[in-house]
Amino acid sequence: GNSVTQMEGPVTLSEEAFLTINCTYTATGYPSLFWYVQYPGEGLQLLLKATKADDKGSNKGFEATYRKETTSFHLEKGSVQVSDSAVYFCALSDRGSTLGRLYFGRGTQLTVWP
Amino acid sequence: ETGVTQSPTHLIKTRGQQVTLRCSSQSGHNTVSWYQQALGQGPQFIFQYYREEENGRGNFPPRFSGLQFPNYSSELNVNALELDDSALYLCASSPEGYGNTIYFGEGSWLTVV
Repeated sequence: GNSVTQMEGPVTLSEEAFLTINCTYTATGYPSLFWYVQYPGEGLQLLLKATKADDKGSNKGFEATYRKETTSFHLEKGSVQVSDSAVYFCALSDRGSTLGRLYFGRGTQLTVWP
Repeated sequence: ETGVTQSPTHLIKTRGQQVTLRCSSQSGHNTVSWYQQALGQGPQFIFQYYREEENGRGNFPPRFSGLQFPNYSSELNVNALELDDSALYLCASSPEGYGNTIYFGEGSWLTVV
C-alpha cells in the first residue's frame, strides 16, 4: 500500500540554522511527492512538489529531491527564519489510486527562535 | 489565497447530532476531496467527488457522506456524531487529471462534546 513516514518532531532551531526534515515513502506505483506547510490556525499550503525520480522541487528557499533508489524526499533549507515556524507534511499521490488522493505523513512541527 | 472556501470555520456539536460542512472549490476545478485532520496528526482521506459522483473513499464509516453540486461545490455530512469526530475537516480541489496541484481550504474546526 501507500504510506509516508516522517521524521518525528518537534524540531527546534535558531534563526539561520540549516534544516532537514526526513521523509520516506512506500508506494505501489510511481508517485508524485509533495511537501505541504500548515501555519498555526490555517489550512494546508503546497510548499513544493516533484513528479518523477531525480526531480528537485523548490520554493521559498526550501528544496527536496525525489530519490527513487532510497524512496526518500527529504526537505532542506539552508537558513531558516522565524517565519518558517509551522508544521510540515510530506505527502504522496499515486497515479494508480483515486485521482489526486494524497497520503500524508504525521507532520513535523518546526519552531525557529530568533 | 487558494480560492477554496469552507464554512463554517468553527462549530460545536453534541454527540449524536448531525453536521453539514460546505466547500466552494476553486473555479474550474471539478474534483473535490475531503480530509479529516485530528489534533497532532496528518490529514486522512475521507472521500472524493468527481463530476458529482463519489470517486473513491477512505476508511471512514457510512455515517460520513457527501454531495457534489453541478457548480462543483461540495458538502460533507456526518451523522450520529461521536467524540472522536472532533477534528479539522479540510476540503481540497483540483482540476481533472493526475499530477495537478491540489489546493486546500482553511478548514472547518468541529468540536463534539
